[in-house]
Amino acid sequence: GESVGLHLPTLSVQEGDNSIINCAYSNSASDYFIWYKQESGKGPQFIIDIRSNMDKRQGQRVTVLLNKTVKHLSLQIAATQPGDSAVYFCAEMENQFYFGTGTSLTVIP
Amino acid sequence: EAQVTQNPRYLITVTGKKLTVTCSQNMNHEYMSWYRQDPGLGLRQIYYSMNVEVTDKGDVPEGYKVSRKEKRNFPLILESPSPNQTSLYFCASSPWDRYSGANVLTFGAGSRLTVL
Repeated sequence: GESVGLHLPTLSVQEGDNSIINCAYSNSASDYFIWYKQESGKGPQFIIDIRSNMDKRQGQRVTVLLNKTVKHLSLQIAATQPGDSAVYFCAEMENQFYFGTGTSLTVIP
Repeated sequence: EAQVTQNPRYLITVTGKKLTVTCSQNMNHEYMSWYRQDPGLGLRQIYYSMNVEVTDKGDVPEGYKVSRKEKRNFPLILESPSPNQTSLYFCASSPWDRYSGANVLTFGAGSRLTVL
């Protein structure tokens, strides 16, 4: 099966700093990638997506970077806020979605 | 409000007692899927469906059944639950067509199942 891994299971950042969460994927044929945020007791919520014909996409305070050469995906959160504390998953899609195990982000006030 | 609705949200049952977790979406999405989430393993796909009457196995289909008789509903059936099916289950849906392919998955709030 697929292997989608996140580099660090936990990450702590100071409020106001930028956060970078990384993800490695294994299937070079994957053509669609999504980042999700999951708060305790809730289902995953969409943050941002990117297709394989792009290498960068920006949203509100978030940026996703895709490096297809090394099969690496990253999520950058600018000016991290306490409300950003959650578990973040990456997902890759070819015929079905495959999810990483998640990075737990803690924002220190 | 556009959403995916799962029921029940919490269930405690005993080994061997058949149960069904319902999933309904009101967004006219073609693609629906079920996942289980276990500590340290992330989300693993159980079954998915590209459209009505079309279902396929995901990575962990053993012990589960699904059906897609209507576009909006995608129930997950555990014919004879066992303790190793204790988990947090998510249903999700997304638009899908052959030209644009996959799109954003919208998830339900989750169903926490305990099998004793």
